[in-house]
Amino acid sequence: AQSVTQPDIHITVSEGASLELRCNYSYGATPYLFWYVQSPGQGLQLLLKYFSGDTLVQGIKGFEAEFKRSQSSFNLRKPSVHWSDAAEYFCAVAYGNKLVFGAGTILRVKS
Amino acid sequence: DAGVIQSPRHEVTEMGQEVTLRCKPISGHNSLFWYRQTMMRGLELLIYFNNNVPIDDSGMPEDRFSAKMPNASFSTLKIQPSEPRDSAVYFCASSSRGGDLTEAFFGQGTRLTVV
Repeated sequence: AQSVTQPDIHITVSEGASLELRCNYSYGATPYLFWYVQSPGQGLQLLLKYFSGDTLVQGIKGFEAEFKRSQSSFNLRKPSVHWSDAAEYFCAVAYGNKLVFGAGTILRVKS
Repeated sequence: DAGVIQSPRHEVTEMGQEVTLRCKPISGHNSLFWYRQTMMRGLELLIYFNNNVPIDDSGMPEDRFSAKMPNASFSTLKIQPSEPRDSAVYFCASSSRGGDLTEAFFGQGTRLTVV
């Protein structure tokens, strides 16, 4: 069965530091992968997506993610975190026409 | 476009009452999804529609929950009777390609509290 694992429930980084949020998926076919961000009281906003082609994808707000088939991973990265990046981040895999989400990682940014 | 519009944003109701959540998808989108978000279970897909037809309702927790999409611009999620364990944030999302999900756009959610 398809599943998404985000092993880190909370991550705290200093403003200006680099960030990597981990995501592992379980899916038999070529996955469609997504990262969404949710600010408090808001809906989910798409950061980036991977369907095929270049395994390093660029998204909005300076985020990028790398698809590694051998590791079944799709980790999200940002070279320099801003205080406004504090939010909850969700990794998701498309299964048919459905999105299966991970449990989310809450990012805290300290000044 | 105004995006996916959900109403109400907040709902507080007493156990046993009927609750109806509403969603207006983005114009032109032909797929609509209802998700529920709780601390314990995260984001769960309840049901999705393609061209107004329910395709998969396997995530609907029980018969107390029902969803309709009478036309391309409107959907409802109804809980009757409501219970405290239904308290959650309910999100509606829409996308533009029914058989090949490209991107789902989410509404801001309805926070439901059942007391």
